[in-house]
Amino acid sequence: AQKITQTQPGMFVQEKEAVTLDCTYDTSDQSYGLFWYKQPSSGEMIFLIYQGSYDEQNATEGRYSLNFQKARKSANLVISASQLGDSAMYFCAMREGRTTDSWGKLQFGAGTQVVVTP
Amino acid sequence: NAGVTQTPKFQVLKTGQSMTLQCAQDMNHEYMSWYRQDPGMGLRLIHYSVGAGITDQGEVPNGYNVSRSTTEDFPLRLLSAAPSQTSVYFCASSYGTGTGNTIYFGEGSWLTVV
Repeated sequence: AQKITQTQPGMFVQEKEAVTLDCTYDTSDQSYGLFWYKQPSSGEMIFLIYQGSYDEQNATEGRYSLNFQKARKSANLVISASQLGDSAMYFCAMREGRTTDSWGKLQFGAGTQVVVTP
Repeated sequence: NAGVTQTPKFQVLKTGQSMTLQCAQDMNHEYMSWYRQDPGMGLRLIHYSVGAGITDQGEVPNGYNVSRSTTEDFPLRLLSAAPSQTSVYFCASSYGTGTGNTIYFGEGSWLTVV
């Protein structure tokens, strides 16, 4: 069964506007972590933001914030004041558990392609 | 600080050939892993290692072998390449439990099997 669901295959957003990328997840673990990565056309995976399941505050990193709704099992990424350089594929990923075995195992969604227009 | 280094960046193989994708990290990370990314999909875990001498299978391990003789290196071997293994391969590393939350990725290796 799909553990990470990103329902928006593609989005257009105007420069300087905010955009929200949806991510829902499925886990029975109490301890887990949620990641967002950006993949520009050059192909590298760029870490954006992390939210732990026990973190009480929503994570923020510059123009990126994570809207974490634990009861709904959603971890939406908000990009404020979009820039042309934000055009990329965005992936939501989850790590389940806190054991050594699980620490680096990520499960990814299918991604959302964002195109920022002038 | 080189981070996670993958070689080669691009490779074309013929069906049945074998090859090794190299991955090295200079951050003394315990955890290393290999993912593959197929068109229109997210990354899927092939194999991972929690330390030197310890490896285990991920979601899509068939057709691949790994070993971890040192902390720094985690090569991925394709034993007999098949067109279904045409993909982009990413190596990643991170600290073990309780130390940091960032997982570092290499720049990717584009593999085409013809």
